[in-house]
Amino acid sequence: AQSVTQPDIHITVSEGASLELRCNYSYGATPYLFWYVQSPGQGLQLLLKYFSGDTLVQGIKGFEAEFKRSQSSFNLRKPSVHWSDAAEYFCAHKLIFGTGTRLQVFP
Amino acid sequence: EAGVTQFPSHSVIEKGQTVTLRCDPISGHDNLYWYRRVMGKEIKFLLHFVKESKQDESGMPNNRFLAERTGGTYSTLKVQPAELEDSGVYFCASSQGDGRAAFFGQGTRLTVV
Repeated sequence: AQSVTQPDIHITVSEGASLELRCNYSYGATPYLFWYVQSPGQGLQLLLKYFSGDTLVQGIKGFEAEFKRSQSSFNLRKPSVHWSDAAEYFCAHKLIFGTGTRLQVFP
Repeated sequence: EAGVTQFPSHSVIEKGQTVTLRCDPISGHDNLYWYRRVMGKEIKFLLHFVKESKQDESGMPNNRFLAERTGGTYSTLKVQPAELEDSGVYFCASSQGDGRAAFFGQGTRLTVV
């Protein structure tokens, strides 16, 4: 069965620090990979997606993610975190979601 | 352009009662999905409509859950009778193409007491 793993349940970073959220997925012939963010009281918002082509994809809010087929990973990165990035982040492969990573940002 | 809209935003019902959740997708989106997140766990797929047809309902937990999408526009998800374990946040999403990025609603938080 297909699965998506987000090994980090909770991450805390200082504002201005770099960020990497991990995501691993079970192998599929065609990757349809997504990162979503859910801010408190809000719905899920798409940050970026990967279907094919350049393995480094740029998203909204300064986020990027890199698809690595050899590692079955699709990690989300941001070079400098802002306090407004505090939220819960979900990785998804097709219709399967990971358990989410809650990001806390300290000033 | 309006996004995906879900009603109600919150619902508290007693065990054994019936609740109906509604989702209005983005206009023109043939694909409509229902998901559920229970107790901070992963967001689980429930079912997928293409227009008014159920494309995939493999995630529906049991026959107490009934989803409809008459006319291929809005969708309803009925839980009858509700059980305590049905509590959670129910998300609806819509998209133009299957497997593509979906736009999500804000969710309906259901609490069964």
